[in-house]
Amino acid sequence: NAGVMQNPRHLVRRRGQEARLRCSPMKGHSHVYWYRQLPEEGLKFMVYLQKENIIDESGMPKERFSAEFPKEGPSILRIQQVVRGDSAAYFCASSSGTAGGYEQYFGPGTRLTVT
Amino acid sequence: QQQVKQSPQSLIVQKGGIPIINCAYENTAFDYFPWYQQFPGKGPALLIAIRPDVSEKKEGRFTISFNKSAKQFSLHIMDSQPGDSATYFCAAKVPSGSRLTFGEGTQLTVNP
Repeated sequence: NAGVMQNPRHLVRRRGQEARLRCSPMKGHSHVYWYRQLPEEGLKFMVYLQKENIIDESGMPKERFSAEFPKEGPSILRIQQVVRGDSAAYFCASSSGTAGGYEQYFGPGTRLTVT
Repeated sequence: QQQVKQSPQSLIVQKGGIPIINCAYENTAFDYFPWYQQFPGKGPALLIAIRPDVSEKKEGRFTISFNKSAKQFSLHIMDSQPGDSATYFCAAKVPSGSRLTFGEGTQLTVNP
């Protein structure tokens, strides 16, 4: 599968727990973007990362949310002490370095439910 | 100024009809306007995209019309099919930025 991979596809967490969402970009892509989609809404940008660097995190909530893209392995979006308002679909997208972020290809998403 | 306004919110057409979805923007720095198609439970799929130096782009049954002076662009789906039933999102991007700014989405239903 050469597409963007995300896991888990569905994640249920109780309030106060931690959620870890993983994203493996398309083969050959080194740029990763995370977006959040609330029910019945469009996608909102959260963070843009390259290997070992956070380039733009202006869309990330200031507290409880963090992201990383290590030299080896997938990008991880981490949500600490989840609250009901964090329930949403979280999508990862990737692009190649030469595309300049213009052609972003999305994964299937992780649907987070906070109970 | 970073917003992209999309309309209508929902649209129902008969098979063979030509649904038209419209988007408007304010930020003249946007230089890339893609459309994404999303089926329930799936991620958005890049459908077609346009740059502001052309007024129209066609790919198969999908056409983007772009009006730079009006700061509007639209998606037309020719000979629509029930399989086109999905949510469609327009988006825009500035050259210096990384993020795509998305419209609110249009839920399209194509009846047989």
